[in-house]
Amino acid sequence: QKEVEQNSGPLSVPEGAIASLNCTYSDRGSQSFFWYRQYSGKSPELIMFIYSNGDKEDGRFTAQLNKASQYVSLLIRDSQPSDSATYLCAVRGQAGTALIFGKGTTLSVSS
Amino acid sequence: NAGVMQNPRHLVRRRGQEARLRCSPMKGHSHVYWYRQLPEEGLKFMVYLQKENIIDESGMPKERFSAEFPKEGPSILRIQQVVRGDSAAYFCASRTGQADSPLHFGNGTRLTVT
Repeated sequence: QKEVEQNSGPLSVPEGAIASLNCTYSDRGSQSFFWYRQYSGKSPELIMFIYSNGDKEDGRFTAQLNKASQYVSLLIRDSQPSDSATYLCAVRGQAGTALIFGKGTTLSVSS
Repeated sequence: NAGVMQNPRHLVRRRGQEARLRCSPMKGHSHVYWYRQLPEEGLKFMVYLQKENIIDESGMPKERFSAEFPKEGPSILRIQQVVRGDSAAYFCASRTGQADSPLHFGNGTRLTVT
């Protein structure tokens, strides 16, 4: 059974701080990794994807991937109250197959 | 709006009735996925379809649930003889033909079974 694990939180950070969200996965053959943001009552929204080991930056967001440790993370710099949401980690095994989602980490950014 | 379109947004059915959920993928997307989300739960994969083909239905219950993506028209997720446990948000997502491309989600259909 392929699994994706996330700490459910809530993770609370003050405005302007760095939020660090973590995810581990069980399928060593996984090839692509995604972070989605979901506001309460809304649909998941793609934030970033990463395919290779290392860091990938996009604005205030940085995704980090370590395939040897089967670990992927998302850093949010200069956190804003509008970043308060549930962040879903998703992993794809073989190309073209379905994404397997973690249960999500709830982030709360206080002003 | 060229996004993934789902309808209806909200659907109320009594136990034993049928529910039909529709999904039109983004323009240029030929791969459709259906997910179910229960309150405080993650997204659970149900089925993956391409035009006229079911590619992977490993996440779909064996009974009462079916899905199709015809040559013309939207993808349909059909739930027969609904029960209260079917109450959930059902999300459709689509992607391009590139195998490692991300999924883009529709706004979902909230199904309530009374």
